[in-house]
Formats: sequence, C-alpha cells, structure tokens
Amino acid sequence: DAGVIQSPRHEVTEMGQEVTLRCKPISGHDYLFWYRQTMMRGLELLIYFNNNVPIDDSGMPEDRFSAKMPNASFSTLKIQPSEPRDSAVYFCASGGRKNQPQHFGDGTRLSIL
Amino acid sequence: GESVGLHLPTLSVQEGDNSIINCAYSNSASDYFIWYKQESGKGPQFIIDIRSNMDKRQGQRVTVLLNKTVKHLSLQIAATQPGDSAVYFCAENMGNQKVTFGIGTKLQVIP
Repeated sequence: DAGVIQSPRHEVTEMGQEVTLRCKPISGHDYLFWYRQTMMRGLELLIYFNNNVPIDDSGMPEDRFSAKMPNASFSTLKIQPSEPRDSAVYFCASGGRKNQPQHFGDGTRLSIL
Repeated sequence: GESVGLHLPTLSVQEGDNSIINCAYSNSASDYFIWYKQESGKGPQFIIDIRSNMDKRQGQRVTVLLNKTVKHLSLQIAATQPGDSAVYFCAENMGNQKVTFGIGTKLQVIP
C-alpha cells in the first residue's frame, strides 16, 4: 500500500506569494494531521481532521494559514500571503482509530525568500 | 547572526552495542505512547507503541519501557546498527488523537 503522499517535496517562492501544500492520506484512515517542523520549535501540530471535518486548529499560527479536506483522499494547507518565517518542513500524517500510530509523509520543504 | 535552535540531545553508540534512549512525558493522563524514528529528509517513521496498561513491550530488536510513576519512557535498541542512526522522538497521546512530540534524541552509531 502507498503511504501518505505529499506534494510538492520542495517549494521555493518569494514572500507574499500564495503557497499550497497537498496531501493524500492512507486509504481508510479517518484522521489527517498537518505538522510543521523547524529547528527552533521542533514538530508542532497545526490542525487535524476527523472524517474530513476540522477538529482542532489551535496550532494554526495565524489567519494566513488555512487547511481544507474536501474529501477523504485529499487535503491542502494554504499560506497566503507567505512570509520568510513560514520556512519549514511541513508534514502530513494520517491515522486510523484512536490509540493507533500516525503515519507520516516525507514532507514538503518550504523556503520563503 | 547565528540562529538558535533546539539543542537535540545526542547519544553516540558503538556498532553492536545496545542503545537506550530516554524520554520524560508531561501528562499523567496520557494513555498511549509512541516512538518514532526520523532519518534525514524523511518523515517520522513508527517504531513501536505502548498503552498505559502495560509497562513493557517488545518488537524486533526494540523494547519500550513505561514507568508511569515517574512519567518516563525509554526505547532500547539491541545490537545497534549504522542504519539505526537517526533522530528518535517519543510522543504521548492525551486521550484523543492529538499527539504531543518530544524534542527528539539524535542517535549516532559509530562503525
């Protein structure tokens, strides 16, 4: 089975531009998570969905960040407008039932110039 | 100027020796714990998990120990190999699907 698939793997763009990160979770998983990893703050949960519904978005840094899950096989994380401090690796993960491990994609390395 | 980041604890181990990576967790109500391995350029990879009603669980070459009294978790890797070199994260689940990750420990295996 394919794991969690993220695209693009790398993104370099200028500040002020809109950035869209994409994720395809593992089929059958009901939970989807977006994380950000930086040297300064480690791995932080931004938002998670259950059955396509956002459950907790308390980790989203500010209104410039938004996430959607239009169906069970696709989610996006959008940053508009982007800023240099948004540079990080963004991971998507999916999980089945409670008390089961999350499975991570290989991330999108985002650089905002 | 110089950037300041998280200072990851580093464990250096001779190839073939056993490794023990320790983790303190924060919430006494956490009921599920997971160890992840992250190699450079990749996402965290599940290694082993344990529920709070257990104090030990074994996998292939790995063992997780849970001490709820002192809120401590450890990962033991037997016969450490160069491929085990990575950053290892412990994570705790606080009763919902929201998982909190530790800062990680970097394991360096010396050939």
